[in-house]
Amino acid sequence: DGGITQSPKYLFRKEGQNVTLSCEQNLNHDAMYWYRQDPGQGLRLIYYSQIVNDFQKGDIAEGYSVSREKKESFPLTVTSAQKNPTAFYLCASSMGRGGAETQYFGPGTRLLVL
Amino acid sequence: AQKVTQAQTEISVVEKEDVTLDCVYETRDTTYYLFWYKQPPSGELVFLIRRNSFDEQNEISGRYSWNFQKSTSSFNFTITASQVVDSAVYFCALSEALVFGNEKLTFGTGTRLTIIP
Repeated sequence: DGGITQSPKYLFRKEGQNVTLSCEQNLNHDAMYWYRQDPGQGLRLIYYSQIVNDFQKGDIAEGYSVSREKKESFPLTVTSAQKNPTAFYLCASSMGRGGAETQYFGPGTRLLVL
Repeated sequence: AQKVTQAQTEISVVEKEDVTLDCVYETRDTTYYLFWYKQPPSGELVFLIRRNSFDEQNEISGRYSWNFQKSTSSFNFTITASQVVDSAVYFCALSEALVFGNEKLTFGTGTRLTIIP
């Protein structure tokens, strides 16, 4: 089955700790995205990547980092610089580049701070 | 800058009633795409429809229908004969960049729909 997987489903972070969220897709999509969702709000773009070894900052990139070493993988690291990391994180991918392409989403990771 | 407004924060209807979710957008581009996604309690966003700015035909898919009106910058979503499984948060989204390197999907804040059995 083709799709997007995210792990873990729940993640707990201690103060000062970096944590990494996994996102993998087997849809052969070029573009991948990370969004953050806070309660009662829409999704906000953190980072996106249109091709391997290249990525761009979204609207709320501060305190986050990403890498794109493989086409199918786009991990997100929440660093200690992110002071309010508690949120629901969604990964998405799309076939190509440009605003016309539909983004498909993974099941999400819920990050909680201990 | 692009913006999407979903003024209805929460809606509750009794099962089998029809319900319309409103979406109003702002963009300066003449070419753009509009989307609707469903987010059930599990959290995953499920794609429902994509519509480009040049196609104002209404679309129907089973119990779902969409009314796109450029004159009022609206892209409303109607569920006919609602069912409990329709309970979810629904997001409207806008993408205006067709140029490589600047694509961005802007989401509304969502409408939480509860279908009462």
